[in-house]
Amino acid sequence: AQRVTQPEKLLSVFKGAPVELKCNYSYSGSPELFWYVQYSRQRLQLLLRHISRESIKGFTADLNKGETSFHLKKPFAQEEDSAMYYCALAGGGNKLTFGTGTQLKVEL
Amino acid sequence: DTEVTQTPKHLVMGMTNKKSLKCEQHMGHRAMYWYKQKAKKPPELMFVYSYEKLSINESVPSRFSPECPNSSLLNLHLHALQPEDSALYLCASSQFYGVKTHYEQYFGPGTRLTVT
Repeated sequence: AQRVTQPEKLLSVFKGAPVELKCNYSYSGSPELFWYVQYSRQRLQLLLRHISRESIKGFTADLNKGETSFHLKKPFAQEEDSAMYYCALAGGGNKLTFGTGTQLKVEL
Repeated sequence: DTEVTQTPKHLVMGMTNKKSLKCEQHMGHRAMYWYKQKAKKPPELMFVYSYEKLSINESVPSRFSPECPNSSLLNLHLHALQPEDSALYLCASSQFYGVKTHYEQYFGPGTRLTVT
């Protein structure tokens, strides 16, 4: 079985502060991990996937197989980063398992 | 056209009504998905169509009936729904449905359904 855990329902940070959204997963094989973002009144969209190793909008995420984690990080939070963030796992192919989500609120 | 579109945006229906949700994409994708998303919860997969054939049904009640008339269009027919079926229904598409390879899913804006 595959499982994704996001321990924080809400994360509130000040503008310019570092951000770390936590994600842990459980899967017996080699998973693909993703971060999806849902801005207010906008559609769910892919932010990052671990195999691409990109930095998108200043966000990065590193897959740590030893700790089974895929935390999302950004050194300096911006107001426009406020959104719901979902960590997701694909154990094989296109069937995605989403975590429960973390609402990020960036305060001025 | 690189978007998934969904109609209607909002739908209110009674428990005895029959209605349909529509999803369309013109990206040439051969896999299409229906998800259900309750407020402040993650999306839950309902159905997957691959090459216009139903590939996955996640034990969804029969009051939800999907249909894929062609490669660009996906419908969700609703009948005799319950108030607890009120949710945001998301459609998504991907180039293919991968069993071992993941293809990026593109999501529509959703239809917000209220069952009274």
